[in-house]
Amino acid sequence: NAGVTQTPKFRILKIGQSMTLQCTQDMNHNYMYWYRQDPGMGLKLIYYSVGAGITDKGEVPNGYNVSRSTTEDFPLRLELAAPSQTSVYFCASSYPFSGGPSSGYTFGSGTRLTVV
Amino acid sequence: AQRVTQPEKLLSVFKGAPVELKCNYSYSGSPELFWYVQYSRQRLQLLLRHISRESIKGFTADLNKGETSFHLKKPFAQEEDSAMYYCALSGNSGGSNYKLTFGKGTLLTVNP
Repeated sequence: NAGVTQTPKFRILKIGQSMTLQCTQDMNHNYMYWYRQDPGMGLKLIYYSVGAGITDKGEVPNGYNVSRSTTEDFPLRLELAAPSQTSVYFCASSYPFSGGPSSGYTFGSGTRLTVV
Repeated sequence: AQRVTQPEKLLSVFKGAPVELKCNYSYSGSPELFWYVQYSRQRLQLLLRHISRESIKGFTADLNKGETSFHLKKPFAQEEDSAMYYCALSGNSGGSNYKLTFGKGTLLTVNP
C-alpha cells in the first residue's frame, strides 16, 4: 500500500513549456485534490475531483488543467509555464463517509517545480 | 465561505516549555477541524482531528465553537516538534465536497 505517489519530485521548466504532474493513489479513495504551497501563503486548492470523470475548480485554477479518467489517477497539466507557477505541488486523496466525518487527507510527497 | 486564520507565522519556544498554536475559523455550518504537521521537506501528515478527541505525540486540540477556535497545545515541547503546523477546516456535507481550507501555517521552532 503506497498511499499517494507523485512524480516527478523535482522539475525545472522554461517559460512557455508544458508538463504533467502525475498523481496516483492505491487506497480506492474517491476524492482527490491538487494544492500548491507557497511560502507564507499556506496551501491553495487548484482543482479537485469527487470521482472518475468529475473534476472542478478550486481557488486558484488558472493556468492548470486536470483529468480523472480512473479512480487511481489525477494528473495536473501545466500548458504554458509561467514564473508565477513556481511552487511546491501536493496531491491528496480522501474518503469521506456519506453524512459522516471526513477521514482526513493523505498527501503525496510533493513536486517542487521551478519555472525560469 | 470557509476561512482559517493562524495569527502567528513563527513561534519559538524552549524545550520543556508549554506551546500553544492558535487557530481561528469562520464557517457558517458545523465544521470539521484538523491539524496537519509538515516536518522539514516532508509531506504533510494528519496530526489531529477534532472529532477524534485524541492526543497525538502529546498534542491536544479542543474545538471551541463559541470562540470559533481550535488551538493546538502541548504541555512540554520537544526539539523534534519543530515543524510547520497547519490548521485546516472542512465542511462535512456533500455540498462542500469535503474540501480542506488551510491556514497559512505556523512555523514552530523548539530550541534546546
